[in-house]
Amino acid sequence: EAGVAQSPRYKIIEKRQSVAFWCNPISGHATLYWYQQILGQGPKLLIQFQNNGVVDDSQLPKDRFSAERLKGVDSTLKIQPAKLEDSAVYLCASSRDFSSYNEQFFGPGTRLTVL
Amino acid sequence: AQSVTQLGSHVSVSEGALVLLRCNYSSSVPPYLFWYVQYPNQGLQLLLKYTTGATLVKGINGFEAEFKKSETSFHLTKPSAHMSDAAEYFCAVSDPQGGSEKLVFGKGTKLTVNP
Repeated sequence: EAGVAQSPRYKIIEKRQSVAFWCNPISGHATLYWYQQILGQGPKLLIQFQNNGVVDDSQLPKDRFSAERLKGVDSTLKIQPAKLEDSAVYLCASSRDFSSYNEQFFGPGTRLTVL
Repeated sequence: AQSVTQLGSHVSVSEGALVLLRCNYSSSVPPYLFWYVQYPNQGLQLLLKYTTGATLVKGINGFEAEFKKSETSFHLTKPSAHMSDAAEYFCAVSDPQGGSEKLVFGKGTKLTVNP
């Protein structure tokens, strides 16, 4: 089975610019997660979708970050405008459903550098 | 709120030596516990997880971990290190009774294996 796909793999932008990341989860997985991994830290959950509904977005900086999962399949995470502290790897993961009993499968991530 | 502490951001062992990566957690309810491995420029891969039942959990690549409630620990071990084990390892906890059952990760431990 194909894994979680993410694009682009790398992105360099200047502060105050906008950027978008795309994720295609494993086929049939109802739950999709976006994590932010800052250098030297563990991943931090930004937002969790169950199908096309939001389950948890308590740690998403909503003044600049937005995410959608139209049709309950692929998802886009957007940052507008970007700040220097947004430099990080953005990981997408998916699982069969939101129970933590189910394994989360991670994509390779998008490395964002904000100059 | 749940949290994870990984003691030692860097651990170095010789090939063939015991690997011990430490993880302590804080949770107000019986948690689910996980160890993930991350190879350079890749996403995270699940090594093993504890949900209920037997406290000694065996995972992939010869790793195992033991859930010790009295010590609030979930240390990861492998009897004999291999060069291919060099990677970053993350311990994570989730609250199975929570609404989103999100994973909370530690800061990670980078394992170096010397020939």
